[in-house]
Amino acid sequence: EAQVTQNPRYLITVTGKKLTVTCSQNMNHEYMSWYRQDPGLGLRQIYYSMNVEVTDKGDVPEGYKVSRKEKRNFPLILESPSPNQTSLYFCASSSVGTQGNEQYFGPGTRLTVT
Amino acid sequence: AQSVTQLDSQVPVFEEAPVELRCNYSSSVSVYLFWYVQYPNQGLQLLLKYLSGSTLVKGINGFEAEFNKSQTSFHLRKPSVHISDTAEYFCAVKPRAAGNKLTFGGGTRVLVKP
Repeated sequence: EAQVTQNPRYLITVTGKKLTVTCSQNMNHEYMSWYRQDPGLGLRQIYYSMNVEVTDKGDVPEGYKVSRKEKRNFPLILESPSPNQTSLYFCASSSVGTQGNEQYFGPGTRLTVT
Repeated sequence: AQSVTQLDSQVPVFEEAPVELRCNYSSSVSVYLFWYVQYPNQGLQLLLKYLSGSTLVKGINGFEAEFNKSQTSFHLRKPSVHISDTAEYFCAVKPRAAGNKLTFGGGTRVLVKP
């Protein structure tokens, strides 16, 4: 089954404790992206990657890091989480080069930073 | 840059009644348009998309949307809703020229009442 998986689905942590949210896709997609969803703001892009070893900032990159060492994986790293990073996070992937190609989303990770 | 405005944050509607969710966008370049749905505790899935051609687009689960270039709108409609349509709906745009970045609206929460 074609899918994007994220782990963990729920995470409660404390300020300053480094964490990683994993994302993996099995569709051989070149493009992967992280979004955060906040009430009334929709989804905002954090970082994206056009292919292995190619990453770039989205609209709200502050406080986050990513890496793309393998095509299927795109982890999101919070080196020193703060309460304003409490949010619902989605990973997405898509192919490139096809006009209007659909992005496929993971199930989401709900993060609470206290 | 692009921006997307969903004019209603919440839409209560009775079962079997019609519903319309409004979406307006602003962009200096030509865009593709999408509607995604997010059911409770799930990721986003594509309802429909407009790439070119007929301005009336039909999607899954009986939804349709009409692209209006002069009004820069892409409103979503369903003639008769079911309880199972209770979800949050997101309008999004992506530049035609290059890149995969989706810009989302703030979302419209639809609550279908029996």
